[in-house]
Amino acid sequence: EVQVVESGGGLVQPGGSLRLSCVFSGFTLRNYWMHWVRQSPEKGLVWVSRINSAGTSPSYADSVKGRFTISRDNAMNTLYLQMNSLRDDDTAVYYCVRGGSGSYSPFDFWGQGTLVSVSS
Amino acid sequence: QSALTQPRSVSGSPGQSVTISCTGTNSDIGTYDYVSWYQQHPDKAPKVLIYDVSQRPSGVPDRFSGSKSGNTASLTISGLQAEDEADYYCCSYAGSYILFGGGTKVTVL
Repeated sequence: EVQVVESGGGLVQPGGSLRLSCVFSGFTLRNYWMHWVRQSPEKGLVWVSRINSAGTSPSYADSVKGRFTISRDNAMNTLYLQMNSLRDDDTAVYYCVRGGSGSYSPFDFWGQGTLVSVSS
Repeated sequence: QSALTQPRSVSGSPGQSVTISCTGTNSDIGTYDYVSWYQQHPDKAPKVLIYDVSQRPSGVPDRFSGSKSGNTASLTISGLQAEDEADYYCCSYAGSYILFGGGTKVTVL
């Protein structure tokens, strides 16, 4: 059974930083592209970032480029999202999401989500 | 990177069919056959219903179907059931990024 433990969310002031982590079990992480997707009541689901199976090719939405960094540790079955220079509009539930063997593969497993609140 | 366009809401009676449209551009839906659809019930994570425009994952009922014409993709729910009341999101691969639609709330009358 595929399972995930998400952590790292919380309340942070504008300009601050957070690091989200997802520890997976039940499948071999190194075989999959992985993504982060966020959701807010105002914007719905928004794709944030993805990384290839080897961890060598990250991509980002324009709204987070230069501020967020996606990474992975396949040996530890863990996906990360380092978020710097946080802004009010980064407030959302962040999901770690499994893709497939390609960058175009659908999202077939979603974490439970972790809430990030950016407010002074 | 503008979001795909979906109607905010659609509704139908049990047994009826409803169709949700998802409009993009030549840079996303119009170029790639990698459109997927997700169903989300309140306080739950999204679940994939359709991928690659019209493919259903194992376990998804065949009353959910997908199609695409030009820059617009569509999700049709045939034989609407009470448990289909949820939010639905389209999603398209666009090369260096991925786009979601704004979401459509389906109400079963």
